Amino acid sequence: QVQLQESGPVLVKPSQTLSLTCNVSGASVSNDRYYWSWVRQPAGKGLEWIGRIHTTGITNYNPSLGSRVALSIDMSRRQFSLRLRSVTAADTAVYYCASDLQEYLDYWGQGALVTVSS
Amino acid sequence: DIQLTQSPSSLSASVGDRVTITCRASQNIKRYLNWYQQKPGKAPKLLIYAASTLHSGVPSRFSGSGSGTDFTLTIAGLQPEDFATYSCQQTYNTPETTFGPGTTVDI
Repeated sequence: QVQLQESGPVLVKPSQTLSLTCNVSGASVSNDRYYWSWVRQPAGKGLEWIGRIHTTGITNYNPSLGSRVALSIDMSRRQFSLRLRSVTAADTAVYYCASDLQEYLDYWGQGALVTVSS
Repeated sequence: DIQLTQSPSSLSASVGDRVTITCRASQNIKRYLNWYQQKPGKAPKLLIYAASTLHSGVPSRFSGSGSGTDFTLTIAGLQPEDFATYSCQQTYNTPETTFGPGTTVDI
């Protein structure tokens, strides 16, 4: 079974860059069956897909986030990462990483609460 | 964008009840519809994919049905561990997937 674990700063100042990493075990990030996705959830609200990355480096992003988001993957470290630039309070949320078989997200990390505040 | 709505937004039920939750898509998504369960402070867990296929390890009291724009999640014989929020997700126009707002099942 795939296991995922998010890590990164819990507090980010407005206008700065949010950075999170997801460590993967139980599966290889180089497995070309999988994409690797990020999803976020503001407190009391629904889930919002952020983007995904494939082992080949192909990325897809939610258009609503525009060019603020960038994903990367490091196969040697068995991890993939999220960077979200120019954050505002609206980016405060629990951020989840997940394994993505394109038609569904089968396993999720426990989530990381990131607060944007000065 | 494909929008998903869920009804009801919340419901109260008792152990042993049969519970049905509906998810409606703003356009035909064939059977590209998944269901997740989420407990407070925890990550979502995949229950059902492709409208009606149970994910590995999910109890058989959970079932899904539907196609096109209307889908249902049914819990036959609610158990104490089933009190949670249930969300649907469409992957018809993957990668741009969207989720429903969720339905909370409580006592």
